[in-house]
Amino acid sequence: QSVLTQPPSVSAAPGQKVTISCSGSSANIGKNFVSWYQQLSGTAPKLLMYENNKRLSGIPDRFSGSKSGTSVTLAITGLQSGDEADYYCGSWDSSLYAVVFGGGTRLTVL
Amino acid sequence: QVQLVESGGGVVQPGRSLRLSCAASGFTFNSYAMYWVRQAPGKGLDWVAVLSHDGNNEYYLDSVKGRFTISRDNSKDTLYLQMNSLRVEDTAVYYCAKGPISGVVTHYFDYWGQGTLVTVSS
Repeated sequence: QSVLTQPPSVSAAPGQKVTISCSGSSANIGKNFVSWYQQLSGTAPKLLMYENNKRLSGIPDRFSGSKSGTSVTLAITGLQSGDEADYYCGSWDSSLYAVVFGGGTRLTVL
Repeated sequence: QVQLVESGGGVVQPGRSLRLSCAASGFTFNSYAMYWVRQAPGKGLDWVAVLSHDGNNEYYLDSVKGRFTISRDNSKDTLYLQMNSLRVEDTAVYYCAKGPISGVVTHYFDYWGQGTLVTVSS
């Protein structure tokens, strides 16, 4: 059972927009920054976003992040087949004194 | 370019030990915190441990405290994870990862290695 909660899967057609939610608590998302990782099949995770809404250099502006209270959302616009991957949110939990992740969301581009 | 190459994984019996290594290149290794993150087969990510750039501060996932030790040799640009008293539930791909900001322990990682598989089984 992951500390952060993500939907197991989302899907959308090429060119469309999809959002992936990540909910937590006041011990993690509520008071700490969130990062997002993309894991393509069979590869290591890759950092996409950090500090809630900052894109790592080289990540297209089709990817964006937002935060409200104890939840964050990753939005991907102009979906491409290459975006098919598992996406994970991560944050620091001030009660557990640990980095915590969501269980991951599999994005399928129809 | 930044490269992180893990090694040392394999099949080990419960209760035994294993040491993982992560060879770093392409950046000033002694300036950055380093991390271990694991992923059980078909499962999500679990942060395991972090070690500050100077080796003075280390933090662990509760379930590995007292069994795993993270260390680094800044003269060899190498990170280690000594894993003792291994359990079946420690079976996972172990990734080493780099902190993004010089001299600071952060809660996210900007580069990851390709991972090394540890299988704990009798």
